[in-house]
Amino acid sequence: AQTVTQSQPEMSVQEAETVTLSCTYDTSENNYYLFWYKQPPSRQMILVIRQEAYKQQNATENRFSVNFQKAAKSFSLKISDSQLGDTAMYFCAFMKVDMRFGAGTRLTVKP
Amino acid sequence: NAGVMQNPRHLVRRRGQEARLRCSPVKGHSHVYWYRQLPEEGLKFMVYLQKENIIDESGMPKERFSAEFPKEGPSILRIQQVVRGDSAAYFCASSPLYGTGSTGELFFGEGSRLTVL
Repeated sequence: AQTVTQSQPEMSVQEAETVTLSCTYDTSENNYYLFWYKQPPSRQMILVIRQEAYKQQNATENRFSVNFQKAAKSFSLKISDSQLGDTAMYFCAFMKVDMRFGAGTRLTVKP
Repeated sequence: NAGVMQNPRHLVRRRGQEARLRCSPVKGHSHVYWYRQLPEEGLKFMVYLQKENIIDESGMPKERFSAEFPKEGPSILRIQQVVRGDSAAYFCASSPLYGTGSTGELFFGEGSRLTVL
Protein backbone atom coordinates (compact mmCIF):
# COMPACT_ATOMS: atom_id res chain seq x y z
CA ALA A 1 0.00 0.00 0.00
CA GLN A 2 1.11 3.50 -0.70
CA THR A 3 2.19 5.68 2.21
CA VAL A 4 2.55 9.43 2.31
CA THR A 5 4.79 11.12 4.86
CA GLN A 6 4.77 14.76 5.89
CA SER A 7 7.57 15.25 8.36
CA GLN A 8 6.69 18.81 9.41
CA PRO A 9 3.69 18.87 11.75
CA GLU A 10 3.80 22.66 12.03
CA MET A 11 5.43 25.52 10.20
CA SER A 12 5.20 29.28 10.28
CA VAL A 13 6.20 32.00 7.85
CA GLN A 14 6.10 35.77 7.77
CA GLU A 15 3.65 37.38 5.43
CA ALA A 16 5.14 37.95 1.94
CA GLU A 17 7.91 35.42 2.48
CA THR A 18 8.37 31.97 0.93
CA VAL A 19 7.84 28.63 2.64
CA THR A 20 8.35 25.05 1.50
CA LEU A 21 6.36 22.11 2.81
CA SER A 22 7.86 18.63 2.47
CA CYS A 23 6.24 15.41 1.36
CA THR A 24 7.61 11.98 0.53
CA TYR A 25 5.75 8.90 -0.55
CA ASP A 26 6.34 5.24 -1.10
CA THR A 27 5.01 3.35 -4.10
CA SER A 28 6.00 0.77 -6.67
CA GLU A 29 3.70 2.32 -9.25
CA ASN A 30 5.03 4.25 -12.22
CA ASN A 31 1.95 6.24 -13.17
CA TYR A 32 0.02 8.11 -10.54
CA TYR A 33 -1.05 11.57 -9.41
CA LEU A 34 0.14 13.72 -6.55
CA PHE A 35 -1.79 16.53 -4.93
CA TRP A 36 -1.60 19.21 -2.31
CA TYR A 37 -4.88 20.02 -0.60
CA LYS A 38 -5.50 22.90 1.77
CA GLN A 39 -7.89 22.65 4.72
CA PRO A 40 -8.67 26.03 6.34
CA PRO A 41 -10.55 26.28 9.65
CA SER A 42 -13.80 25.82 7.72
CA ARG A 43 -12.56 22.22 7.17
CA GLN A 44 -13.36 22.35 3.46
CA MET A 45 -10.79 20.44 1.42
CA ILE A 46 -9.49 22.71 -1.32
CA LEU A 47 -7.25 21.53 -4.14
CA VAL A 48 -4.08 23.61 -4.32
CA ILE A 49 -2.07 21.91 -7.02
CA ARG A 50 -1.83 18.65 -8.96
CA GLN A 51 1.07 16.79 -10.57
CA GLU A 52 0.95 13.87 -12.99
CA ALA A 53 3.82 11.48 -12.37
CA TYR A 54 4.54 11.03 -16.07
CA LYS A 55 5.20 14.75 -16.47
CA GLN A 56 8.72 15.89 -15.66
CA GLN A 57 7.79 19.56 -15.58
CA ASN A 58 6.89 20.82 -12.13
CA ALA A 59 3.34 22.08 -11.78
CA THR A 60 2.70 25.71 -10.88
CA GLU A 61 -0.48 27.56 -9.89
CA ASN A 62 0.11 31.26 -9.33
CA ARG A 63 2.01 31.54 -6.02
CA PHE A 64 2.10 27.77 -5.56
CA SER A 65 4.64 25.47 -7.17
CA VAL A 66 5.96 21.99 -6.55
CA ASN A 67 9.34 20.33 -6.69
CA PHE A 68 8.59 16.84 -7.94
CA GLN A 69 11.49 14.41 -7.70
CA LYS A 70 10.14 11.10 -8.98
CA ALA A 71 13.24 9.00 -8.33
CA ALA A 72 13.47 10.31 -4.79
CA LYS A 73 9.67 10.03 -4.36
CA SER A 74 9.55 13.58 -3.10
CA PHE A 75 6.85 16.17 -3.73
CA SER A 76 7.38 19.47 -1.91
CA LEU A 77 5.11 22.51 -2.08
CA LYS A 78 6.51 26.02 -2.29
CA ILE A 79 4.31 28.96 -1.40
CA SER A 80 5.68 32.30 -2.54
CA ASP A 81 4.60 35.70 -1.26
CA SER A 82 2.70 34.07 1.61
CA GLN A 83 -0.63 35.65 2.52
CA LEU A 84 -2.61 35.54 5.75
CA GLY A 85 -5.28 33.55 3.94
CA ASP A 86 -2.76 30.77 3.34
CA THR A 87 -3.00 29.84 7.02
CA ALA A 88 -4.38 26.30 7.01
CA MET A 89 -3.59 22.62 7.24
CA TYR A 90 -1.88 21.36 4.10
CA PHE A 91 -2.18 17.73 3.07
CA CYS A 92 -0.05 15.93 0.53
CA ALA A 93 -1.90 13.14 -1.28
CA PHE A 94 -1.09 10.22 -3.59
CA MET A 95 -3.64 8.93 -6.07
CA LYS A 96 -3.63 5.70 -8.00
CA VAL A 97 -6.87 3.82 -7.50
CA ASP A 98 -7.84 5.79 -4.44
CA MET A 99 -6.35 8.79 -2.69
CA ARG A 100 -4.13 8.48 0.37
CA PHE A 101 -3.15 11.44 2.51
CA GLY A 102 -0.24 12.43 4.67
CA ALA A 103 -0.78 13.52 8.26
CA GLY A 104 -0.68 17.18 7.32
CA THR A 105 1.36 20.29 8.05
CA ARG A 106 -0.22 23.15 9.94
CA LEU A 107 0.98 26.38 8.31
CA THR A 108 0.62 29.71 10.07
CA VAL A 109 1.28 32.91 8.18
CA LYS A 110 2.23 35.70 10.56
CA PRO A 111 1.58 39.37 9.83
CA ASN B 1 -23.89 23.20 -10.44
CA ALA B 2 -23.80 21.59 -7.04
CA GLY B 3 -20.64 20.05 -5.68
CA VAL B 4 -20.52 17.09 -3.34
CA MET B 5 -23.33 17.40 -0.82
CA GLN B 6 -23.10 15.77 2.55
CA ASN B 7 -25.75 15.62 5.22
CA PRO B 8 -26.20 16.00 7.99
CA ARG B 9 -23.39 18.46 8.63
CA HIS B 10 -23.56 17.70 12.32
CA LEU B 11 -24.93 14.59 13.97
CA VAL B 12 -25.10 13.77 17.65
CA ARG B 13 -25.71 10.22 18.79
CA ARG B 14 -25.62 8.40 22.08
CA ARG B 15 -23.52 5.29 22.51
CA GLY B 16 -25.23 2.28 20.98
CA GLN B 17 -27.30 4.23 18.47
CA GLU B 18 -26.89 4.14 14.71
CA ALA B 19 -25.43 6.92 12.59
CA ARG B 20 -26.22 7.36 8.91
CA LEU B 21 -24.24 9.78 6.83
CA ARG B 22 -25.31 10.64 3.31
CA CYS B 23 -23.31 11.82 0.34
CA SER B 24 -24.58 13.01 -3.02
CA PRO B 25 -21.66 13.16 -5.48
CA VAL B 26 -21.13 15.76 -8.14
CA LYS B 27 -23.68 15.20 -10.90
CA GLY B 28 -22.31 12.67 -13.34
CA HIS B 29 -19.69 11.28 -10.97
CA SER B 30 -19.92 7.55 -10.48
CA HIS B 31 -17.14 7.06 -7.90
CA VAL B 32 -17.42 7.87 -4.24
CA TYR B 33 -14.82 7.77 -1.49
CA TRP B 34 -15.28 8.06 2.27
CA TYR B 35 -12.61 9.37 4.64
CA ARG B 36 -12.50 9.83 8.40
CA GLN B 37 -10.66 12.66 10.09
CA LEU B 38 -9.98 12.65 13.79
CA PRO B 39 -9.16 16.01 15.45
CA GLU B 40 -5.71 17.28 14.53
CA GLU B 41 -5.11 14.35 12.20
CA GLY B 42 -5.13 13.70 8.46
CA LEU B 43 -7.79 12.04 6.38
CA LYS B 44 -7.87 8.26 6.68
CA PHE B 45 -9.21 6.32 3.74
CA MET B 46 -12.19 4.15 4.56
CA VAL B 47 -13.91 2.92 1.41
CA TYR B 48 -14.13 3.44 -2.34
CA LEU B 49 -17.36 2.68 -4.15
CA GLN B 50 -18.73 2.74 -7.62
CA LYS B 51 -22.42 2.52 -8.36
CA GLU B 52 -23.68 -0.68 -6.71
CA ASN B 53 -20.13 -1.95 -6.09
CA ILE B 54 -17.58 -1.72 -3.30
CA ILE B 55 -14.17 -1.45 -4.94
CA ASP B 56 -11.92 -1.12 -1.89
CA GLU B 57 -13.02 -1.24 1.73
CA SER B 58 -9.60 -1.91 3.21
CA GLY B 59 -9.77 1.16 5.43
CA MET B 60 -13.12 0.43 6.97
CA PRO B 61 -13.46 -1.38 10.31
CA LYS B 62 -14.80 -4.90 9.81
CA GLU B 63 -17.53 -4.51 12.39
CA ARG B 64 -20.28 -1.91 12.76
CA PHE B 65 -19.34 0.04 9.63
CA SER B 66 -20.90 -0.39 6.21
CA ALA B 67 -21.19 1.66 3.06
CA GLU B 68 -23.29 1.55 -0.04
CA PHE B 69 -23.73 3.51 -3.24
CA PRO B 70 -26.97 2.40 -4.86
CA LYS B 71 -27.91 2.83 -8.47
CA GLU B 72 -30.26 5.61 -7.46
CA GLY B 73 -29.76 7.97 -4.58
CA PRO B 74 -26.88 9.04 -2.39
CA SER B 75 -24.06 7.00 -0.95
CA ILE B 76 -24.64 6.04 2.67
CA LEU B 77 -22.05 5.41 5.37
CA ARG B 78 -23.66 3.56 8.24
CA ILE B 79 -22.17 3.13 11.68
CA GLN B 80 -24.06 0.78 13.98
CA GLN B 81 -23.82 0.79 17.77
CA VAL B 82 -21.67 3.89 17.82
CA VAL B 83 -18.97 4.34 20.44
CA ARG B 84 -17.19 7.50 21.58
CA GLY B 85 -14.19 6.63 19.43
CA ASP B 86 -16.37 7.03 16.33
CA SER B 87 -16.56 10.78 16.97
CA ALA B 88 -14.88 12.37 13.96
CA ALA B 89 -15.46 14.29 10.78
CA TYR B 90 -16.43 12.05 7.89
CA PHE B 91 -15.65 13.35 4.43
CA CYS B 92 -17.07 12.15 1.17
CA ALA B 93 -15.41 12.76 -2.17
CA SER B 94 -16.37 11.93 -5.73
CA SER B 95 -14.69 11.60 -9.09
CA PRO B 96 -15.89 10.97 -12.62
CA LEU B 97 -13.33 8.43 -13.71
CA TYR B 98 -11.63 5.34 -12.41
CA GLY B 99 -8.22 5.78 -10.78
CA THR B 100 -5.88 7.82 -12.89
CA GLY B 101 -8.53 9.35 -15.09
CA SER B 102 -8.25 12.62 -16.86
CA THR B 103 -7.40 14.59 -13.74
CA GLY B 104 -7.28 12.19 -10.83
CA GLU B 105 -8.74 14.91 -8.67
CA LEU B 106 -11.28 14.14 -5.98
CA PHE B 107 -14.00 16.67 -5.22
CA PHE B 108 -14.75 16.86 -1.52
CA GLY B 109 -17.87 17.60 0.43
CA GLU B 110 -17.79 19.77 3.53
CA GLY B 111 -17.87 16.78 5.83
CA SER B 112 -20.25 15.43 8.44
CA ARG B 113 -19.20 15.83 12.03
CA LEU B 114 -20.33 12.98 14.24
CA THR B 115 -20.34 13.41 17.99
CA VAL B 116 -21.02 10.41 20.17
CA LEU B 117 -22.09 11.20 23.72
